[in-house]
Amino acid sequence: DQQVKQNSPSLSVQEGRISILNCDYTNSMFDYFLWYKKYPAEGPTFLISISSIKDKNEDGRFTVFLNKSAKHLSLHIVPSQPGDSAVYFCAATDSTGGSARQLTFGSGTQLTVLP
Amino acid sequence: KAGVTQTPRYLIKTRGQQVTLSCSPISGHRSVSWYQQTPGQGLQFLFEYFSETQRNKGNFPGRFSGRQFSNSRSEMNVSTLELGDSALYLCASSVGLAGTYEQYFGPGTRLTVT
Repeated sequence: DQQVKQNSPSLSVQEGRISILNCDYTNSMFDYFLWYKKYPAEGPTFLISISSIKDKNEDGRFTVFLNKSAKHLSLHIVPSQPGDSAVYFCAATDSTGGSARQLTFGSGTQLTVLP
Repeated sequence: KAGVTQTPRYLIKTRGQQVTLSCSPISGHRSVSWYQQTPGQGLQFLFEYFSETQRNKGNFPGRFSGRQFSNSRSEMNVSTLELGDSALYLCASSVGLAGTYEQYFGPGTRLTVT
């Protein structure tokens, strides 16, 4: 049972437009969410995160929105650039694990930004 | 500062064999976590080691094991390989336990089981 779901395996967007990547989760104990970006032949790199006490976090062109009641988060990239083309993973963790917290990842969304 | 390194980068093994993968964390990082990435499944957590002790374990069979050395380097072993073990194996290091501190990933080891 996947606790973190990214239902869109791929997304194509024109350069300069907004990219919206979505992520749903089922575990109501998750209280910290992260987005990672992965280029081919490289490991994932941390992009942005959000705590459950917030509903929005912004870092430059990247904004993450969290809707706790819907158990949904989204990553907005504005404006999209060809260099943003990568696989984006959403991940979540909960605090009940104490020192044994672990990250649960979604299956990823391949974003392609067309020039 | 050097990043997380993994060796080898590519590996081809035959079903039934065993394999050992290596991960060197960023200097000063004491936690190493291992993940399996397969198409459609995302990154699935295998285990985490901190100060030479396994602190957390994912839902994988006992054929998957690991260890961590005093210099924080970690190895992962898979015995009796199955075709379904073909995947990209990623390790990530962090200053402290993975759920609390940012993780930095290595480039991965691509394992193909034939």
